[in-house]
Amino acid sequence: GDSVTQKQGQVTLSEDDFLFINCTYSTTTYPTLLWYVQYLGQGPQLLLKVTTANNKGISRGFEATYDKGTTSFHLQKASVQESDSAVYFCALALNYNQGKLIFGQGTKLSIKP
Amino acid sequence: EAAVTQSPRNKVAVTGGKVTLSCNQTNNHNNMYWYRQDTGHGLRLIHYSYGAGSTEKGDIPDGYKASRPSQENFSLILELATPSQTSVYFCASGDGGLGGYYAEQFFGPGTRLTVL
Repeated sequence: GDSVTQKQGQVTLSEDDFLFINCTYSTTTYPTLLWYVQYLGQGPQLLLKVTTANNKGISRGFEATYDKGTTSFHLQKASVQESDSAVYFCALALNYNQGKLIFGQGTKLSIKP
Repeated sequence: EAAVTQSPRNKVAVTGGKVTLSCNQTNNHNNMYWYRQDTGHGLRLIHYSYGAGSTEKGDIPDGYKASRPSQENFSLILELATPSQTSVYFCASGDGGLGGYYAEQFFGPGTRLTVL
């Protein structure tokens, strides 16, 4: 069946470090791939989405890319700041799923000041 | 600004009691969703709805009921609350019927439920 896997449960970085979070997915159809960010005490909010057509999305200094060959999609940022501390979720959206999202388990990003 | 609101924001309930969590959206979205979030499990879908009067079972519906009396409101009901239902609950709305690219969901701030 359709699934998404996010193995990095926790990532700890220092300010100005490079961030890379990876998700892998499995589906037989064409997906839209989303990244959500959840700050402490808030609900998740959409950060980026990528389709298999455009391969890349950029927002707020974050970049999402997609690799069809490895059925994976990545979230990266060149230089993280303390304000980026949050939980990051990848999610899979499929045309036939009528709006339902398949979420990864989430990656908690902690930034050492 | 379009928004999803939830009430209450915090709730303490006793085992065996009835709990109702409420959600209101001003996005005019057809779809609404209830999730729970637990450490190590991410977001798990409990119930969802495609419009007023409709409710569908998600991935973990046992012990929960849902009600969608109007486009704007979606409730999650725990008839007999148990300590295992202690969690943070999120409501979301979306218009995913337009296709996968439009499947963005807008989340509320969450309700922290503790069942003693």
